[in-house]
Amino acid sequence: DAKTTQPTSMDCAEGRAANLPCNHSTISGNEYVYWYRQIHSQGPQYIIHGLKNNETNEMASLIITEDRKSSTLILPHATLRDTAVYYCIVFSGNTGKLIFGQGTTLQVKP
Amino acid sequence: DTGVSQNPRHKITKRGQNVTFRCDPISEHNRLYWYRQTLGQGPEFLTYFQNEAQLEKSRLLSDRFSAERPKGSFSTLEIQRTEQGDSAMYLCASSPQGGLNYGYTFGSGTRLTVV
Repeated sequence: DAKTTQPTSMDCAEGRAANLPCNHSTISGNEYVYWYRQIHSQGPQYIIHGLKNNETNEMASLIITEDRKSSTLILPHATLRDTAVYYCIVFSGNTGKLIFGQGTTLQVKP
Repeated sequence: DTGVSQNPRHKITKRGQNVTFRCDPISEHNRLYWYRQTLGQGPEFLTYFQNEAQLEKSRLLSDRFSAERPKGSFSTLEIQRTEQGDSAMYLCASSPQGGLNYGYTFGSGTRLTVV
């Protein structure tokens, strides 16, 4: 599975949109982009995933560029409870396991 | 179903002792995964099962570590002769086969402290 690159940390004001970028320039055609988040002392939580189309669910939106080499996770109205580490993972299912990187620590500030 | 359950939540043990953790996955999920997470790092893959078969083990899983899933339901992870370097959060996750369209559901983890 391809590797991803994320900023180490980001800040966001409460109530504003949080846009978390991810680069995955070596992604191959059968690999999906997954996003998880981990709130302190809890297990990672699935947020959203996509292949090439933009996706939206009740938690977030995922924007994938046309060349699929990068993506952005959007939390439309960040709250203090969205403070967490966000992981972008490229996964095809072939290897049978998710591989986590360091992720982005998002700090939502009042 | 209340999700993936891990017990105990916390374990403090003396160096050299054996410890065992338990994971109860979501009942209809046939895949079960173990990860280890140290402070400031992302979770590291240890091993996974499909039903009762252990399909892959990471190099991180030394011979002091053993995992079982005897009936394809719950799983145990045992660490023998614990070392201080084993101190970490041990996470369990489950998914339908492959997890491609559903993601993994993680438990809250077992935090191990070796003193």
